[in-house]
Amino acid sequence: SYVLTQPPSVSVAPGQTARITCGGRDIGTKSVQWYRQRPGQAPVLVVYDDSDRPSGIPERLSGSNSGNTATLTITRVEAGDEADYYCQVWDSSSDHRNVFGTGTKVTVL
Amino acid sequence: QVQLVQSGPAVKKPGASVRVSCTASGYTFTSHLLHWVRQAPGQRLEWMGWIHTGNGNARYSQKFQGRVTIIRDTSANTVYMDLTSLRSEDTAIYYCARDGAGYYLDSWGQGTLLTVSS
Repeated sequence: SYVLTQPPSVSVAPGQTARITCGGRDIGTKSVQWYRQRPGQAPVLVVYDDSDRPSGIPERLSGSNSGNTATLTITRVEAGDEADYYCQVWDSSSDHRNVFGTGTKVTVL
Repeated sequence: QVQLVQSGPAVKKPGASVRVSCTASGYTFTSHLLHWVRQAPGQRLEWMGWIHTGNGNARYSQKFQGRVTIIRDTSANTVYMDLTSLRSEDTAIYYCARDGAGYYLDSWGQGTLLTVSS
């Protein structure tokens, strides 16, 4: 089965840049999504198709994907960015499965 | 605007079954797949399956095959997720989520807490 690996935690000071990685075999050949989940809330889609943003998501959040690593970058970090972030791909090679990453807790110092 | 409203929390005993509903509004119900995703306490998101709301076809994660059934009622714009043979490890928040036509989940329900305990 397809596995997506994320760092458990990332800490960043306000105003700085946070980078969250998502590792998977040949992930660069897949479409990657990113979700933000604040405590006690449902996930929210923040990036889809590697680098597109739904309406209402600020340009400070951006995505990239190449090789074996996808990355979500959050610039000018704010307190409201503190949340868990999950990457996700559709793995068509195995039983039509939606695969989520292990999740990364972003802490704003 | 798109809204997915789920049924309320449930407490079940091991071995029992549960049905969770998800009622959609704000868009054409049959135009988007609907997925179910669960999250055990402190754990990652876990995909369970999806349903084609137009023709009713469903696909399930191998992990839940045989225990989960997803159906829809187009007259009520509602999708149901049935989970049988419950065990304590099924204690989790269950979410429905709309597929944005690319296997990305662009709208989510508020979640339904299922507690399985004797």
